[in-house]
Amino acid sequence: DVVMTQTPLSLPVSLGDQASISCRSSQSLVHSNGNTYLHWYLQKPGQSPKLLIYKVSNRFSGVPDRFSGSGSGTDFTLKISRVEAEDLGVYFCSQSTHVPPFTFGSGTKLEIK
Amino acid sequence: QVTLKESGPGILQPSQTLSLTCSFSGFSLSTSGMGVGWIRQPSGKGLEWLAHIWWDDDKRYNPALKSRLTISKDTSSNQVFLKIASVDTADTATYYCAHYDYDAYAMDYWGQGTSVTVSS
Repeated sequence: DVVMTQTPLSLPVSLGDQASISCRSSQSLVHSNGNTYLHWYLQKPGQSPKLLIYKVSNRFSGVPDRFSGSGSGTDFTLKISRVEAEDLGVYFCSQSTHVPPFTFGSGTKLEIK
Repeated sequence: QVTLKESGPGILQPSQTLSLTCSFSGFSLSTSGMGVGWIRQPSGKGLEWLAHIWWDDDKRYNPALKSRLTISKDTSSNQVFLKIASVDTADTATYYCAHYDYDAYAMDYWGQGTSVTVSS
């Protein structure tokens, strides 16, 4: 199974700050078809996860442009340019290149400093 | 508008079979490219993918749990089912179903989840 390692586990930020979350996979996520199936989800308290970014850098419908994804191979980053209160929660990266199984990172909790 | 809603027994005893239902709207599982899957999350912990089923009845399972899982669909009623055999306390979790986008190969819409407790 592909192991997804996220850092940090906890990220205290002030509103308006930039935040950056790292996700590293145990093997390259480049599929034989050339796509890289690395996705980011946000789970707000008491809610189900919501898709933010798919295939490394594509924002899902309705996701604000302050969210951006980048990376390649085994190293990926989610950036939030100006953190707002509604952005707080747990962020998960996930891969669907080498499946089954789909695997998730352990999560990064974005919280107010 | 894609929506999904999970339902389950709430509580069951060890060794029983857990039966979950995902009722959805806004898409049809008879349409090419559509898929629905199941993911679970123990309280305060991470996400574990369990299984998914595609429009063409292709089914995929988490190898670690494959012997205990059965996923199926009823296209006419817009429902997907998951059975987990021989449950124990480690199966206590919130269970989510999610819609899959074939192009993105990502879970793009999730249900609200249903809590399942396994206890004697």
